[in-house]
Formats: sequence, C-alpha cells, structure tokens
Amino acid sequence: AQRVTQPEKLLSVFKGAPVELKCNYSYSGSPELFWYVQYSRQRLQLLLRHISRESIKGFTADLNKGETSFHLKKPFAQEEDSAMYYCALSGMGGSQGNLIFGKGTKLSVKP
Amino acid sequence: ETGVTQSPTHLIKTRGQQVTLRCSSQSGHNTVSWYQQALGQGPQFIFQYYREEENGRGNFPPRFSGLQFPNYSSELNVNALELDDSALYLCASSLGGRAYNEQFFGPGTRLTVL
Repeated sequence: AQRVTQPEKLLSVFKGAPVELKCNYSYSGSPELFWYVQYSRQRLQLLLRHISRESIKGFTADLNKGETSFHLKKPFAQEEDSAMYYCALSGMGGSQGNLIFGKGTKLSVKP
Repeated sequence: ETGVTQSPTHLIKTRGQQVTLRCSSQSGHNTVSWYQQALGQGPQFIFQYYREEENGRGNFPPRFSGLQFPNYSSELNVNALELDDSALYLCASSLGGRAYNEQFFGPGTRLTVL
C-alpha cells in the first residue's frame, strides 16, 4: 500500500539552528516525492519536488530509495519558516494524478 | 491571473442531508483534484477531473461524486452525509492530470455535519 509517514507532529527549533523534517514512504514502484507547505492563514502550496532537484527558500530534500525517505533539510532556520509541512507521494514517477499526503509536521522556529 | 476559489467558505449540515461544494480553477488550468482533510490529518485524495472526465478516484464511497464543467470549474457532491464527513474540503487545479503538474490549492470549504 502507498503510504507517507511523517513521524513528528511538531518540531521546535531556534533561529539559526539546522532543521530536518522527516518523511518516509511506502511504495513498491517508482515514486515522485513532494513537499508542500502551509504558512499561517495561507493556502497549501508546493515547496519543492524531487524531480526538480532544486533548493527553495534554502530547503533541500534528497530521495533515498534504500531508506525510502525524503527528508527536508535547511541548514539555518528562519522565523518565517514556521509553518505546517506535508510530505506527499505520487506513484508511477508522478504520472498518476493523485497525491498521497502524510499527516504533516508543524515547524516552529523560535527567535 | 485568478487563483483557485471555493464556495462556500463553511457550512453546517445534518446527518443524511446532501451537500454541493464548488471550485473555480485557476485561469488556464484544465484539471481539478478534490481532497478531504480531517482534523489533524493530511489531505486525502477523493478524485480528479481532467477535461470534464473523471481521471482517478481515491478510496471514497460512491456517495461522493463530482462534475467538471466546460469552463473547468468543478463540483463535489456528497449524499447521505455522515458525521465523519466533517472536514475541510480542498480543491486544487493544475494544467494537466499528472501529479508532477503543480497543483494550486484553494482555501477550502469547512463542512460540519451534526
């Protein structure tokens, strides 16, 4: 079964500290992985996707097929990074239309 | 460029009733996906419409049905409402029906079933 697990409901760090939001997935084929973010009083929006291999707002994520993980990392957290983060998976390399989301991790960056 | 809009913002229904939620896609987009987000959970895929045809469905019963119009706006209908249907309903539009086509989400409709 396709599944995305985000083990932390809440992650609290101080400004300037490194951040790692964990995401593990279960999928037997070739997945495409995404990170979506929801800032306070804003809509859910795409942060980054594995296929683009890009860094957005200082965040990066590496797909580790051996560990079936797609952790989101940032070396120095900023207060404006405080938000709800969702990891999502799409099957067949992203060719399927549906996204399977994890339960989300709330990141709180303290001053 | 107009973003995704949803109506109503919130509504309250009683068990057994029927409800229709509406979504206007972003200008230029031909695909609408619907998600249900229960409290404390991530969004769960209900179904997707691509060029007026259903293009995939999640694990939801047939009382969840949808429609997409020629202007690519969409409706989600839920019959015989149950208490567990209380949730935030999100629609997302995209250009193309694949997950790697970026999905742009609306603000959601909060449904409460009493």
